Amino acid sequence: DGGITQSPKYLFRKEGQNVTLSCEQNLNHDAMYWYRQDPGQGLRLIYYSQIVNDFQKGDIAEGYSVSREKKESFPLTVTSAQKNPTAFYLCASSSPYRGKAYEQYFGPGTRLTVT
Amino acid sequence: QQQVKQSPQSLIVQKGGIPIINCAYENTAFDYFPWYQQFPGKGPALLIAIRPDVSEKKEGRFTISFNKSAKQFSLHIMDSQPGDSATYFCAAGSSAGGTSYGKLTFGQGTILTVHP
Repeated sequence: DGGITQSPKYLFRKEGQNVTLSCEQNLNHDAMYWYRQDPGQGLRLIYYSQIVNDFQKGDIAEGYSVSREKKESFPLTVTSAQKNPTAFYLCASSSPYRGKAYEQYFGPGTRLTVT
Repeated sequence: QQQVKQSPQSLIVQKGGIPIINCAYENTAFDYFPWYQQFPGKGPALLIAIRPDVSEKKEGRFTISFNKSAKQFSLHIMDSQPGDSATYFCAAGSSAGGTSYGKLTFGQGTILTVHP
């Protein structure tokens, strides 16, 4: 059963702690993305990776870090430098082949609450 | 110039009505325009997409209309049902290549409610 898994579904952390969100895909997609969703602001791109061992900053990368050591995995770390980390985080992936690069498949999301 | 502006923010229709959601963009390099549907607590799912070489695309009850000169595109849902109640996002991408290849810029989203 192919798809994208994100864990955990809900995550609670104290202010000042780093936290890592998991994203795994078995779709054999080369590209992976992390978005942040806040009410009324749509999906904002945090980081994306088109290939293993390479990634680029998106529109709101400050306070976040990523790694892409395996094709299947693209973990996101929310650091203590992120001023307002409470949000719904979505991971997505896509295939780079012509016509399919923009068909992004999303995971179920992780809702992070920092207090 | 990278923005995609979506309206309205929310929309309420009766069952059988035809809700219309509009999006506008500035970047003329955009050449792929998908719509995503998101149910509460779930990730978005690709609904339908269009490229600028056609003015309309229909899949089932969902239709995208595209106006290249006005840099606008819209989603129409025919014979809307309560099960269509969800948040809808438009997006735009450019196949110009380089590090932006595959990257999408999303609109702010429209919360659609279809009353029975």
